[in-house]
Amino acid sequence: AQKITQTQPGMFVQEKEAVTLDCTYDTSDQSYGLFWYKQPSSGEMIFLIYQGSYDEQNATEGRYSLNFQKARKSANLVISASQLGDSAMYFCAMREFDFNKFYFGSGTKLNVKP
Amino acid sequence: DTGVSQDPRHKITKRGQNVTFRCDPISEHNRLYWYRQTLGQGPEFLTYFQNEAQLEKSRLLSDRFSAERPKGSFSTLEIQRTEQGDSAMYLCASRSDRSTEAFFGQGTRLTVV
Repeated sequence: AQKITQTQPGMFVQEKEAVTLDCTYDTSDQSYGLFWYKQPSSGEMIFLIYQGSYDEQNATEGRYSLNFQKARKSANLVISASQLGDSAMYFCAMREFDFNKFYFGSGTKLNVKP
Repeated sequence: DTGVSQDPRHKITKRGQNVTFRCDPISEHNRLYWYRQTLGQGPEFLTYFQNEAQLEKSRLLSDRFSAERPKGSFSTLEIQRTEQGDSAMYLCASRSDRSTEAFFGQGTRLTVV
C-alpha cells in the first residue's frame, strides 16, 4: 500500500484565493511526522510545514496551515491568499519516528492564475 | 550559503559510463539521505547515512549504485555502467538529531544518452 497518497495531480487557483491540497497517509505507527514541501521549477525541495502525530493543534506557518485529521489519516495543506509565486509542485511526506526515511507522495502541481 | 550543496547540477553521460555525484550537507547535520526523482513523480528513497554509517539502503539501489560518506561529512553517490533508466534528478538531504524536517539540496539532474 502507498504510504502517502495525493489524489490531485493538478490544481488551479485564482490569485488571492485560498486552496487546499489533499494528502492521506497510511501507517500503523503511533509516532510519526507529516511534512509538506514545495518544489519550484528550479528543482529544490523547500520545507513548508510540519505536523507531529501527537500535536493536538493544527500547525500553521504564515500563509500555510495543515488540516490534520488523525482518525481519517489526512494531512491537507491549506494555502491562504495565493500568490503567483506559489505556482509549483507540492509534496506531502511522512516519517515514522522508529525509522529514518521519508516517504513522499506523487505531488500536486499548483497553478495560480492572475 | 549554508544550505545543502550538490555538485554537479547537471550531468549528461553516455550509456555505460560511470558517474559520481557529491553532496555537502548542512554543517553539523549528522543524518544524510539520497533520493531519486523521475519526471512527474515524488522523490524515492535510495539510502540513508547516520554519520559515516550507511544504515539503510533501498531495493532501488542496485549493485551498480554505491554511496559513501567516509568522514561523516560530505557524501558521494556513484552509478556504474549507467543505463537510460537511470536518468532522473538525484536529491540529497540532511538533518540533525534536533530537527524533524530534512533540508534538501537543489539536486543533480542526470541524463543518460
